[in-house]
Amino acid sequence: GAGVSQSPSNKVTEKGKDVELRCDPISGHTALYWYRQRLGQGLEFLIYFQGNSAPDKSGLPSDRFSAERTGESVSTLTIQRTQQEDSAVYLCASSWLQRLYNEQFFGPGTRLTVL
Amino acid sequence: SQQGEEDPQALSIQEGENATMNCSYKTSINNLQWYRQNSGRGLVHLILIRSNEREKHSGRLRVTLDTSKKSSSLLITASRAADTASYFCATRTSGGYNKLIFGAGTRLAVHP
Repeated sequence: GAGVSQSPSNKVTEKGKDVELRCDPISGHTALYWYRQRLGQGLEFLIYFQGNSAPDKSGLPSDRFSAERTGESVSTLTIQRTQQEDSAVYLCASSWLQRLYNEQFFGPGTRLTVL
Repeated sequence: SQQGEEDPQALSIQEGENATMNCSYKTSINNLQWYRQNSGRGLVHLILIRSNEREKHSGRLRVTLDTSKKSSSLLITASRAADTASYFCATRTSGGYNKLIFGAGTRLAVHP
């Protein structure tokens, strides 16, 4: 079946502009996660959705970052007034919630470059 | 802050050799997972080991977990050029939600 998809695959924007990144999880996956990966580094957790609610937003770096999820499906990560330090690959993952020991399925990521 | 630290940061070996990567973490965990990433994009889940397990095998992969030392190792036997990738350990902490905390990764290069 289809995996996690993300769009766009690449986004180049100017400093100060807003960007929206989209994630389509695997159908039926209740849990959805956003991560950020800076060049040569590991993944930083941003936010976790359980259904349409976000019980853990602890990784969002500033109030310029927000995310929403609708229909227990698509999620959008919005970055307002982008800064150069926002440049990174943004990865989305989804998983079943019911399984106690769950693996996460990752999308290909969106590479964001802020000029 | 990241939970785990991997070492080495980079590993270069010849095809047919074994590759060993280590991961250390800081807090109590529910499970530890290893992921592989090619070309800096999507990650692929390799193997999961639960906190009450000490060793697990999957094909050419062998994972060990020592909760007393808060460390894990990933062994890839008889490596192939196609194993060239970055490898990350990720921990799910006890309690809380399902988020994973990733280490910085080991970049493995397998030369033909």
